[in-house]
Amino acid sequence: AQSVTQLGSHVSVSEGALVLLRCNYSSSVPPYLFWYVQYPNQGLQLLLKYTTGATLVKGINGFEAEFKKSETSFHLTKPSAHMSDAAEYFCAVSAGNMLTFGGGTRLMVKP
Amino acid sequence: DAGITQSPRHKVTETGTPVTLRCHQTENHRYMYWYRQDPGHGLRLIHYSYGVKDTDKGEVSDGYSVSRSKTEDFLLTLESATSSQTSVYFCAITSGTGGFHEQFFGPGTRLTVL
Repeated sequence: AQSVTQLGSHVSVSEGALVLLRCNYSSSVPPYLFWYVQYPNQGLQLLLKYTTGATLVKGINGFEAEFKKSETSFHLTKPSAHMSDAAEYFCAVSAGNMLTFGGGTRLMVKP
Repeated sequence: DAGITQSPRHKVTETGTPVTLRCHQTENHRYMYWYRQDPGHGLRLIHYSYGVKDTDKGEVSDGYSVSRSKTEDFLLTLESATSSQTSVYFCAITSGTGGFHEQFFGPGTRLTVL
């Protein structure tokens, strides 16, 4: 069985500041890990994924995430926030063909 | 674009009425999923299908049934809708390419049960 915990249901940053969204997972098998983004009134869009290999994963829109097995974490970062980054972000872990999602973090970007 | 459409996109219904939501895909993917999204819970799996007439329950399947009579369509039915089923429903498919298990999502159906 797997589970995902996203720390902080709401995160607020100023435009230009570092974005850090936290995700911790538990999995009984080597995990595949994903971050999805959801803009208002839209479906989920894949931001980035970790499967195997390099533990630092780069995604779209300047986001990246680092898989840390020892910490069972997969935190999402972006060096400089833009207003357009305001959205809800979901971390997910996969085992087989099943995805388990975290509760989501709503990112607010202040001008 | 994974070629996923959902219908209807919005629906308001009354408690006790049956409701069917449709998910349609155009790319012949084997796996299809139904999720519901509620604040603070992320997305939770209701049912999924791994082929025509092959379905299984997810985490929150009570009160829901599904059917898949052809590859491209996956139907979610609420036999007797309740207010607790007010939610946004998302359909997803697994691309299955390269051995990854990423999922692609439809635009969602917002269901309100009065």
